[in-house]
Amino acid sequence: QKEVEQNSGPLSVPEGAIASLNCTYSDRVSQSFFWYRQYSGKSPELIMSIYSNGDKEDGRFTAQLNKASQYVSLLIRDSQPSDSATYLCAVNMDNQGGKLIFGQGTELSVKP
Amino acid sequence: GAVVSQHPSRVICKSGTSVKIECRSLDFQATTMFWYRQFPKQSLMLMATSNEGSKATYEQGVEKDKFLINHASLTLSTLTVTSAHPEDSSFYICSARAWTDFNSPLHFGNGTRLTVT
Repeated sequence: QKEVEQNSGPLSVPEGAIASLNCTYSDRVSQSFFWYRQYSGKSPELIMSIYSNGDKEDGRFTAQLNKASQYVSLLIRDSQPSDSATYLCAVNMDNQGGKLIFGQGTELSVKP
Repeated sequence: GAVVSQHPSRVICKSGTSVKIECRSLDFQATTMFWYRQFPKQSLMLMATSNEGSKATYEQGVEKDKFLINHASLTLSTLTVTSAHPEDSSFYICSARAWTDFNSPLHFGNGTRLTVT
């Protein structure tokens, strides 16, 4: 079992729709979780961090965390073509010196 | 704040030569930096954890003698790819935390695209 798993996609949604991205992780002791966005040829940029169960909203983005199910998700409301990128779920391995392990990423395409 | 600068952004070298990549934290001190590698259409794979003033910790399968890491100061870590070969061609990205709390997010440099001919 991979430490962090995501659907690779591509996920295609029309402009204005909600994009839903999912991630599961294997390490039960992990306490911090992140979503990064990566445009082609660029390095990742942080979108959201979440540490507690429940929802966390920031503008059009909402991160959801369920530690019991070892599940993290990212919702993007009112999707825009500029949101087209690869979204990386990252989990902090608390019992491994704070290493950040990434999922394989989900490619999102927002069609005008 | 929390800017990580990486240099060079792009390098082409011949097979058998060595390449050094620099990673600097510009507005904070980083006792730990992380080096990742990313092949096309793949995710970021952690190569090693760079510790200021001590030896780096390498992930399983990463050759420490091939990928030399030096973290001589609180703001600079370097990765040297020794005797590079075409299979080492990849996107190398460094990262660091702006705070000592290791639950805080990583901030990434802009990456170095290495092409070995």
